[in-house]
Amino acid sequence: AQSVSQHNHHVILSEAASLELGCNYSYGGTVNLFWYVQYPGQHLQLLLKYFSGDPLVKGIKGFEAEFIKSKFSFNLRKPSVQWSDTAEYFCAVNAYNAGNMLTFGGGTRLMVKP
Amino acid sequence: DAGVTQSPTHLIKTRGQQVTLRCSPKSGHDTVSWYQQALGQGPQFIFQYYEEEERQRGNFPDRFSGHQFPNYSSELNVNALLLGDSALYLCASSQTGTGNTIYFGEGSWLTVV
Repeated sequence: AQSVSQHNHHVILSEAASLELGCNYSYGGTVNLFWYVQYPGQHLQLLLKYFSGDPLVKGIKGFEAEFIKSKFSFNLRKPSVQWSDTAEYFCAVNAYNAGNMLTFGGGTRLMVKP
Repeated sequence: DAGVTQSPTHLIKTRGQQVTLRCSPKSGHDTVSWYQQALGQGPQFIFQYYEEEERQRGNFPDRFSGHQFPNYSSELNVNALLLGDSALYLCASSQTGTGNTIYFGEGSWLTVV
């Protein structure tokens, strides 16, 4: 069975700082990878996804993530955060033979100070 | 176009009671999954329904059961509620097949007292 680890549980940044959130997964086969964001009081929204091809994927709101297969990692980055990026971020994995089942990490709560 | 809708948004139940949560998938979606998100944790997969049958199941006891109707809507039932069942229950929908984007509803907050 696959598992997902997010190393940072809480991150506090000032506006304009750069962001990198770590995500590692354990599964030996082909995977699809996702980052979801949950703004306060709102539902989970898809930020970006990787299925195949270019390992550097760009998502909404200036976010990007890089899939490094050799490291089983899919870290989320943003060059300059804004106060409105305050939210909880979840990394998720879908094993290729697992239909639409997602395995989520524990989440990283990001607070951006104005 | 409505996204994934869930009801009720909040509810309080007593230990030992039973609860039913409801979900309408996004238009055009035929696959519904349910997740449990405890406070401070990531969502955990409960089960998935497609063509009115349970297709996949996570590590949850038989107290958790579900149903999918011909219009693709779904229900999650939990029997013999425990305090530990208090959580946000998320419904997710997608089109069948690997690689399709999965959309989430806003969830139903269940508190067991």
